[in-house]
Amino acid sequence: QSVLTQPPSVSGAPGQRVTISCIGSSSNIGAGYNVHWYHQLPGTAPKLLIYDNTNRPSGVPDRFSGSKSGTSASLAIAGLQAEDEADYYCQSYDNSLSASVFGGGTKLTVL
Amino acid sequence: EVQLVESGGGLVQPGGSLRLSCSVSTSSFNTHAVHWVRQAPGKGLEHVAYMSDIRGTTQYGDSVKGRFTISRDSSKNTVYLQMSSLRPGDTAVYYCVKDVVGSSGWYGDWYFNLWGRGTLVTVSS
Repeated sequence: QSVLTQPPSVSGAPGQRVTISCIGSSSNIGAGYNVHWYHQLPGTAPKLLIYDNTNRPSGVPDRFSGSKSGTSASLAIAGLQAEDEADYYCQSYDNSLSASVFGGGTKLTVL
Repeated sequence: EVQLVESGGGLVQPGGSLRLSCSVSTSSFNTHAVHWVRQAPGKGLEHVAYMSDIRGTTQYGDSVKGRFTISRDSSKNTVYLQMSSLRPGDTAVYYCVKDVVGSSGWYGDWYFNLWGRGTLVTVSS
């Protein structure tokens, strides 16, 4: 059971918009810690997608956007493309556990 | 450009020990904090250990506390993860990761901007 809760899977057709939720609590996201997002293609290392809730590293398309409110955060992917099919993880810090925590991951399928 | 290269993974029996190495190619090694994050086969990501810059602050995940030790050798630009009393549940790909401090500046508010390719540790008899 992960400290941050994500849906196990989401899907969408090419061109559609999907969102992935990341639900935390008052000891992590709700305490004000930033949320960061990663994506991972099969057999490869995770790669930073969104940092500090809403910011995209250089090279990440603006189709990807992040938001945070209260004890949860969301990743939105607009204009779905086949290459977006991957696993997505949220990450934050929990001051009760004194540990970095990840969501359980969400598998995105492009139909 | 900073690069991270892990080594030292392999097959080890339950109860055994293994030391992972992470070579960090940078001229400013002493200013970088480094983490180990692992991923069991078909599972999600788990933060295992953290070591700050030259000041040497460490932090461990609950599942490895008392069994794993993170250290760094500035003369070799290398971070180590000494793993002992290994269990089958420790089987995973272990990634060496560099962080960036998040916008709040709070301790723990970091994100992982650079990952190594990982090294596989298999604990089995």
